[in-house]
Amino acid sequence: DVKVTQSSRYLVKRTGEKVFLECVQDMDHENMFWYRQDPGLGLRLIYFSYDVKMKEKGDIPEGYSVSREKKERFSLILESASTNQTSMYLCANSKGFDYGYTFGSGTRLTVV
Amino acid sequence: TQLLEQSPQFLSIQEGENLTVYCNSSSVFSSLQWYRQEPGEGPVLLVTVVTGGEVKKLKRLTFQFGDARKDSSLHITAAQPGDTGLYLCAGENGGSQGNLIFGKGTKLSVKP
Repeated sequence: DVKVTQSSRYLVKRTGEKVFLECVQDMDHENMFWYRQDPGLGLRLIYFSYDVKMKEKGDIPEGYSVSREKKERFSLILESASTNQTSMYLCANSKGFDYGYTFGSGTRLTVV
Repeated sequence: TQLLEQSPQFLSIQEGENLTVYCNSSSVFSSLQWYRQEPGEGPVLLVTVVTGGEVKKLKRLTFQFGDARKDSSLHITAAQPGDTGLYLCAGENGGSQGNLIFGKGTKLSVKP
């Protein structure tokens, strides 16, 4: 089975800090995604990538950037963390829409 | 803008009861997917429905895709506490290949 691993389950960061959330897949899938999940708002797409060094903005990219230097790793960067970025962050990959997404276990980020 | 509306938002039932949750849209989707998310974990793909009118069964879970491919339902027979979780439907975003949009989910609690 494809495994998607997120580096941290829980993180607490201070306002203004630069935050890195790491996601690694163990299969050779091109498509990788970052979502945030908030009560009442569901899953919202932040950024996605279809290949190395390639990135596309999702629905809520403001305040975030991403990096994909290697196929297996897709990093989400909060340039200057703010309290409204407190959320559950989910990474996913896919080898094509019809195959569905495989999600990581999520990182619950709290910004204080 | 494509939207997926799920109902009910919350559902609390006793073990052994039957239930149906719904996923509706005004847009046509080429296919829809259902995921289940347990607390503290990422969503896990249950099924993909592709053809209008299609019915798929997964043990006690029955999934149906509407004839017009705008809606889907999930029926659970004789619910068990292990069915507790957040049920999400998802469809392909027409603007970007492989990019899913998600409904906000139905939170199901099955009490012993």
